[in-house]
Amino acid sequence: ETGVTQSPTHLIKTRGQQVTLRCSSQSGHNTVSWYQQALGQGPQFIFQYYREEENGRGNFPPRFSGLQFPNYSSELNVNALELDDSALYLCASSLQGNNEQFFGPGTRLTVL
Amino acid sequence: AQSVTQPDIHITVSEGASLELRCNYSYGATPYLFWYVQSPGQGLQLLLKYFSGDTLVQGIKGFEAEFKRSQSSFNLRKPSVHWSDAAEYFCAVGVKQAGTALIFGKGTTLSVSS
Repeated sequence: ETGVTQSPTHLIKTRGQQVTLRCSSQSGHNTVSWYQQALGQGPQFIFQYYREEENGRGNFPPRFSGLQFPNYSSELNVNALELDDSALYLCASSLQGNNEQFFGPGTRLTVL
Repeated sequence: AQSVTQPDIHITVSEGASLELRCNYSYGATPYLFWYVQSPGQGLQLLLKYFSGDTLVQGIKGFEAEFKRSQSSFNLRKPSVHWSDAAEYFCAVGVKQAGTALIFGKGTTLSVSS
């Protein structure tokens, strides 16, 4: 059974740029959630995707957007990067209706 | 609003000693509760979960947690800590929206002394 994978592991961007992060869900899982974890903080819920549609959203501005593909993989896109977007971005997969989420290793984004 | 509070930012325990990490939640309905562990630079690993039923739940690596509805608490315990348990521990509550979002506490850093 393949776990949740994320790419890239690290990346560095400058303020104002756009970034795309990728996530492959665990085999058999149809729901993907994204979280932002700032340094020294707990993860914060960004949004969740199910059946290729946004299925719940946290308190994040519209410049945070996502996609889910037919194979259940997902992308997180962030436009107009700000310094405060520097964080570890975690992807979690689950089965819709099951509350247990399995996390990937994360992507460390640094905005300069 | 839903929230999770972990009152202890940092705890140091001697190897072999017992451990209790505190977690209090605020949620209007019956909560789904979780404990996750995170090693430096890593993602989150699920230690245990409570959905319903027996209020004492067993998890991996010898951890257990007890759900106390009257105290809105879900404290994590381990009878004997090993050096490899040093990590960041997060308590979370599952919040029903269209899907289920996890609301996390700020975490407790566990250091283990020899």
